[in-house]
Amino acid sequence: GQQLNQSPQSMFIQEGEDVSMNCTSSSIFNTWLWYKQEPGEGPVLLIALYKAGELTSNGRLTAQFGITRKDSFLNISASIPSDVGIYFCAGQLTSRGGSNYKLTFGKGTLLTVNP
Amino acid sequence: DTEVTQTPKHLVMGMTNKKSLKCEQHMGHRAMYWYKQKAKKPPELMFVYSYEKLSINESVPSRFSPECPNSSLLNLHLHALQPEDSALYLCASSQVKTSGNTGELFFGEGSRLTVL
Repeated sequence: GQQLNQSPQSMFIQEGEDVSMNCTSSSIFNTWLWYKQEPGEGPVLLIALYKAGELTSNGRLTAQFGITRKDSFLNISASIPSDVGIYFCAGQLTSRGGSNYKLTFGKGTLLTVNP
Repeated sequence: DTEVTQTPKHLVMGMTNKKSLKCEQHMGHRAMYWYKQKAKKPPELMFVYSYEKLSINESVPSRFSPECPNSSLLNLHLHALQPEDSALYLCASSQVKTSGNTGELFFGEGSRLTVL
């Protein structure tokens, strides 16, 4: 099956620093999504990307859908303490006549921000 | 209303008990999901309902029994669970467009299940 390699596994940064994480796949996806999960909560969608090469921002967050459709990155600028959590990438492959309800999740990046 | 509400938040049960997890959404989403999540791991898909019909069962053991009474409600019935079934159970929903499912999932806060 499809697998996503998400890196880094964890990051410890100082408040105000920029953060970058990425996901790579051995196969293509039609959609890339980035979710954030805080302790005791369910994942929350941050950014969804639908076109190869697409660059999308959401406040201090910027994500890109790789040209090859096999990778995506998420950048967080000027980190703040409330950015702490686990960030998951997810890919979706839409196939003709088939179910596209399945997401393939990366293993997550645990972000810790020291104030 | 953009919430997915799950009850209970916490559940402790013995291996012989029967219990249910409940999920509700009022966003008009026609796809609803159950995921299982172990600590610091990504969510694992269990079931998908599309238009109130079971669309995907990811080879989940029969001790987990899903039910979708209507377009807003999703239940997960639990019976004769094992300690290794202890996990966070997440419900999610998504909009289904004519072009297909968007992949944009709205998750609930989850039900933390402990099986003794």
